[in-house]
Amino acid sequence: DARVTQTPRHKVTEMGQEVTMRCQPILGHNTVFWYRQTMMQGLELLAYFRNRAPLDDSGMPKDRFSAEMPDATLATLKIQPSEPRDSAVYFCASGSPSGNGYTFGSGTRLTVV
Amino acid sequence: SQKIEQNSEALNIQEGKTATLTCNYTNYSPAYLQWYRQDPGRGPVFLLLIRENEKEKRKERLKVTFDTTLKQSLFHITASQPADSATYLCALAPNSGGYQKVTFGTGTKLQVIP
Repeated sequence: DARVTQTPRHKVTEMGQEVTMRCQPILGHNTVFWYRQTMMQGLELLAYFRNRAPLDDSGMPKDRFSAEMPDATLATLKIQPSEPRDSAVYFCASGSPSGNGYTFGSGTRLTVV
Repeated sequence: SQKIEQNSEALNIQEGKTATLTCNYTNYSPAYLQWYRQDPGRGPVFLLLIRENEKEKRKERLKVTFDTTLKQSLFHITASQPADSATYLCALAPNSGGYQKVTFGTGTKLQVIP
């Protein structure tokens, strides 16, 4: 089965440090999403790309978050500087041009202390 | 503001019965609606998609209905099994030409009791 791969699975970092999360979408999928999930807010859309171009990043705190797709096999989400309120599970998902549902990765559980 | 509401209380159901989960939305004109399943510690898994011009969709023991007048989708699992225990999320995509900005509800936790 094709899958979306996210690394790392877990990350514990100190406040103020830079955090980089990586995602390898499914080959052939042209839409890539970054979501954040917390108990209080559920799944929140942070940013998404189509054909590697950023379409919407209005869900991200612009001053500290950045999302890029340097190539079709890699999407990154960076937080600099990280804060305790960024603690959450971050999911990457990709979708095919047929638009029949999205495939999620297993997530990166981020803890900022 | 746009809102997607799912019953935040857990739904407990006896094995073999039909589970029915509800997704209501306001101030939204979705092009399509999706349902996902999420197990603890895992990412959501896509189950079904229903478009705005469709009333009902089925897949094995799953059935989804979509009523754009009531602004509601119902998700049914027939002959429920303990393995169906999970959190179920609905997600809506806006009817805004070419965009796939999918927004999720907060999910309903289903517990199927043997």
